[in-house]
Amino acid sequence: ILNVEQSPQSLHVQEGDSTNFTCSFPSSNFYALHWYRWETAKSPEALFVMTLNGDEKKKGRISATLNTKEGYSYLYIKGSQPEDSATYLCAPQIYNTDKLIFGTGTRLQVFP
Amino acid sequence: DSGVTQTPKHLITATGQRVTLRCSPRSGDLSVYWYQQSLDQGLQFLIQYYNGEERAKGNILERFSAQQFPDLHSELNLSSLELGDSALYFCASSPWTSGRGWGNEQFFGPGTRLTVL
Repeated sequence: ILNVEQSPQSLHVQEGDSTNFTCSFPSSNFYALHWYRWETAKSPEALFVMTLNGDEKKKGRISATLNTKEGYSYLYIKGSQPEDSATYLCAPQIYNTDKLIFGTGTRLQVFP
Repeated sequence: DSGVTQTPKHLITATGQRVTLRCSPRSGDLSVYWYQQSLDQGLQFLIQYYNGEERAKGNILERFSAQQFPDLHSELNLSSLELGDSALYFCASSPWTSGRGWGNEQFFGPGTRLTVL
């Protein structure tokens, strides 16, 4: 059973601050690492899917890196805005399946 | 809007009852997944169907079953409901299944909130 840990559990930052979160997962049985963004009263929305060690993905002010050898991924948000307030979930995809094992997420609140 | 639809949005029922949740995937997507989100728990994978056939199973109770129909919509049946089954149930879809591509991004529907009284 994959144990996925995300830290911190929650984060409150001021508008304009940059922030980052961590996702840790066992590096064996790994296929890909997904990041999802989940706004309150909406459904999870895919941000990134990464597969290769050293992978880096970027979407606007949000970027992510992946280290498959040590089993972690970082998500960075540069210059946080109130609309970035959401729960950010990571989910490793188990090898040779489409099964995603979700962490409990990092809840980000950005204050104006 | 992800293109995945789920009905109903809300469902309130009593213990011991049976309910059916429905999901229509994005046009062209062959894989459908069901997830359960309970209080204080992360999204738990229940089951996956690909083109009508069961593909993978997670922590799905024996009281729960699912199927995917020829038109690719899927239904999740929950029976002998207990208070602990109260949760948000999400359906997600993706174009294919593992073996045809890595990093299979999943598109989530709006969810069905089930309350068992």
